[in-house]
Amino acid sequence: DGGITQSPKYLFRKEGQNVTLSCEQNLNHDAMYWYRQDPGQGLRLIYYSQIVNDFQKGDIAEGYSVSREKKESFPLTVTSAQKNPTAFYLCASSMSGGIDNYGYTFGSGTRLTVV
Amino acid sequence: SQQGEEDPQALSIQEGENATMNCSYKTSINNLQWYRQNSGRGLVHLILIRSNEREKHSGRLRVTLDTSKKSSSLLITASRAADTASYFCATAGAGSYQLTFGKGTKLSVIP
Repeated sequence: DGGITQSPKYLFRKEGQNVTLSCEQNLNHDAMYWYRQDPGQGLRLIYYSQIVNDFQKGDIAEGYSVSREKKESFPLTVTSAQKNPTAFYLCASSMSGGIDNYGYTFGSGTRLTVV
Repeated sequence: SQQGEEDPQALSIQEGENATMNCSYKTSINNLQWYRQNSGRGLVHLILIRSNEREKHSGRLRVTLDTSKKSSSLLITASRAADTASYFCATAGAGSYQLTFGKGTKLSVIP
């Protein structure tokens, strides 16, 4: 089955640590996205990538970094510079130009907690 | 920035009743989409309506779009307990790959 896989499902981070959230898709989608969701809130865009080896900052990129070395993979690193990282992180993908036709496909999310 | 604003924030209905959720947005859009999120899960795409469309149906879902009022509504007919979830509207600007999401409506369907 085609889809997006996020791992791990739960992640605990100590103060001052960097952690990396994995996102892999086998849908052959060109574009990939990272969103953050806080309790009772909507989704806020962290980073997005329309093509391999290229990515752009979203609305809340500070304290986060990404890479897009392969079409299938778009890992997100939450750095120690992110002061309030506890949240639910969602990865999504879409076809090139598919935003007009099919919308996004989402992974099942990673819940990150600072301990 | 979040453009869509859903109303109401929470809605509780009996099974079999219809549920209506509204979404307002601020700037011109290319299309508007509705997503469902079950608790602790990812979002699932429900339906997409383009800016030149006024109404769209998919199964028990009916979406309307009024670009003059910058608003959309999602109607779920004959609701079921399994429809209990949060529903989000998302807008895409012209030529944009990015979706901007609202804060969602939390729907509870009581058996």
